[in-house]
This record gives sequence, C-alpha cells and structure tokens, in this order.
Amino acid sequence: KAGVTQTPRYLIKTRGQQVTLSCSPISGHRSVSWYQQTPGQGLQFLFEYFSETQRNKGNFPGRFSGRQFSNSRSEMNVSTLELGDSALYLCASSFRLDSYEQYFGPGTRLTVT
Amino acid sequence: AQKITQTQPGMFVQEKEAVTLDCTYDTSDPSYGLFWYKQPSSGEMIFLIYQGSYDQQNATEGRYSLNFQKARKSANLVISASQLGDSAMYFCAMRAESGGSARQLTFGSGTQLTVLP
Repeated sequence: KAGVTQTPRYLIKTRGQQVTLSCSPISGHRSVSWYQQTPGQGLQFLFEYFSETQRNKGNFPGRFSGRQFSNSRSEMNVSTLELGDSALYLCASSFRLDSYEQYFGPGTRLTVT
Repeated sequence: AQKITQTQPGMFVQEKEAVTLDCTYDTSDPSYGLFWYKQPSSGEMIFLIYQGSYDQQNATEGRYSLNFQKARKSANLVISASQLGDSAMYFCAMRAESGGSARQLTFGSGTQLTVLP
C-alpha cells in the first residue's frame, strides 16, 4: 500500500509569489490534514479536510488556503509569500475524521527568498 | 486550549539501554488522545504509539511503551533496548476527542534523541 505522497519535495520561491503544494493520501483515506513546521514555532496545524469540506482551520492568515478533491487529494495554496513562510509543510491522512492513526507524508520544504 | 510540554531538548542514551522521554500536557477536554511521533532527519513523521485518556492500561507497541499518569498529566515515552536507528526527534502530541471538539493534533517542541554506540 503506497504511503502519503507530497509534491514537490523541495521548492524555492521569491517573496510575493504564490505556491501550491499537493498531497495524495493513502488509498481509501478520506481525511487530510496540513501542518507547518518551523524551527521557531514548531509544528502548527493549518487545516483539515474530509469529503471535500474543510472541517477545521488553524490560526493562520487568509493567505493560506486549501481544498480537497473528490479523490481525496488535497492542495494547499499560499499567496503573497513572506520570508516567514519558509517551512516544512507536512500532510497527514487518516481513514476517518476520528481515526487516531494519522499517516504523514515526507513533507514539502519551502524556502522563500 | 491544549498544551504539550517537552522539557528535554536533547537526550543521549547508550545503545541497548532504555530511555524515557518526558511529556506533560494540559487540557480542559474530558476525552483526549495522546500520541508519540518520531521524526528522522528525512522529515517524515512516523506514528509510534497512542493512548486514549480513558484507557485503563498503558499502551505498548513493540519496544515503545507509554507511561500514562493521568493525575499528573504526564505521558512519557519509554524506549527499551535502544538502537542506533532510534536516533531522531521525538514529538509528543495530543488531540481532543470529545464530541464537537476540534480534532487537530497539538505538538510539543520535541526531544532530539541520540543513541550512542
């Protein structure tokens, strides 16, 4: 069974640009969550999707958005990039919203210059 | 609001010995889950073990066990017979599990474990 895949793995963008990150969950998993990991703030929850609906959102500005498609694949978008957006973005999938096992992908490392 | 505290930024352990990684938590939710994840240098978070707040027995998964002391609000991870491959960052996390509560994971700051040969 294939694990969670995230593309791209590495990305370099310039301040002011926008970026889209992709996450493909494990087959059969319908819940996808996104987390941002930085040295200063640690791991912080961004949002969670289930059945194409955003079910939960963390404390991030509106520049951060996401969506989920009918095949459960999810994308997150960051507009007007800032230097502080440089981070490892992790995606996690689970079978249901209340499943205690979340399987994480390898992450996308975003560098904003 | 939930809070996870990991007071050990770094730990060293000799190969084949046991090590305990500390985790304390704070929450007002009556039902919650406690998790431990391992993050190697590659970045991927690996689920290790889960403990529900109403579980009577401490969770165990192979060489990992969770020492759950509800009254003290602690959920320490014990790794027995450490291996060189256990060297990684370890995160304690929790999630509310009451009906209607937000279900995102709240993570601690992590403990970097180094296993010495």
